[in-house]
Amino acid sequence: GAVVSQHPSWVICKSGTSVKIECRSLDFQATTMFWYRQFPKQSLMLMATSNEGSKATYEQGVEKDKFLINHASLTLSTLTVTSAHPEDSSFYICSARTIGSQYFGPGTRLTVL
Amino acid sequence: GENVEQHPSTLSVQEGDSAVIKCTYSDSASNYFPWYKQELGKRPQLIIDIRSNVGEKKDQRIAVTLNKTAKHFSLHITETQPEDSAVYFCAASKNNNDMRFGAGTRLTVKP
Repeated sequence: GAVVSQHPSWVICKSGTSVKIECRSLDFQATTMFWYRQFPKQSLMLMATSNEGSKATYEQGVEKDKFLINHASLTLSTLTVTSAHPEDSSFYICSARTIGSQYFGPGTRLTVL
Repeated sequence: GENVEQHPSTLSVQEGDSAVIKCTYSDSASNYFPWYKQELGKRPQLIIDIRSNVGEKKDQRIAVTLNKTAKHFSLHITETQPEDSAVYFCAASKNNNDMRFGAGTRLTVKP
C-alpha cells in the first residue's frame, strides 16, 4: 500500500506555544489529505480536509485559526496547533487519499503541559 | 452529513471462532466502505474495503458484506487468532471524500 509519514511522532510542549505537525505522502502524490484527531479509546474525528493549493475545509466545531493547515505541495500537508492548551492534547493522524483509498500516517501524540 | 454507527463496541471470542462486526450508515450516496484495524498507539491499517457496486468481498479469513438497501455492512473474520486482537473501525464515504468512522469495536481473541 501507499506510504504516509508523519513528523514528529510525539511532542511535548508548554501551554501557549505552537506546534507544527508534518504529513508526507512518500511514494505518491496526494491532492487531498485529511487531518483527524483521536482521543484515548475513541474513534477518529475528522478535523479538516486539506487540498493542495487551496484553503482547507474545516469540520463544524473545529477552529480554523487554532488549527492552521497548509498544503503547499502534492506530498506535504502541515497542521499547526497554535497557542496550545492542555485540552489540545491528543493523537493527531493524517491520511492521504489515492485513487483507491486513504492511507494513514503513523500519528503524532501531542501532550500540552 | 454521513453518520456511521458500529456494533458491538467490544467483542470477545475464543481463538478459532468467528467474529462479526456490523455498521450502518445514513447517507445513501455513500459508495465506499473501508475497514481499518488499529493496534494500540499505531496507525489504522486498511484491511479490506468494498464499493457500492459489490455485495460481498473476501480476502482469506476476512470478508465484508454490503446491503445497500438496508444501508448496512459487516466485517466477518473467520478462524480468529490472537493477533487479530485490535480495534476495528468501519467507515463510509462518497468517492473517498469526507470519510466518517464508526465508534470502533475492540476485539479480543482469547487463546
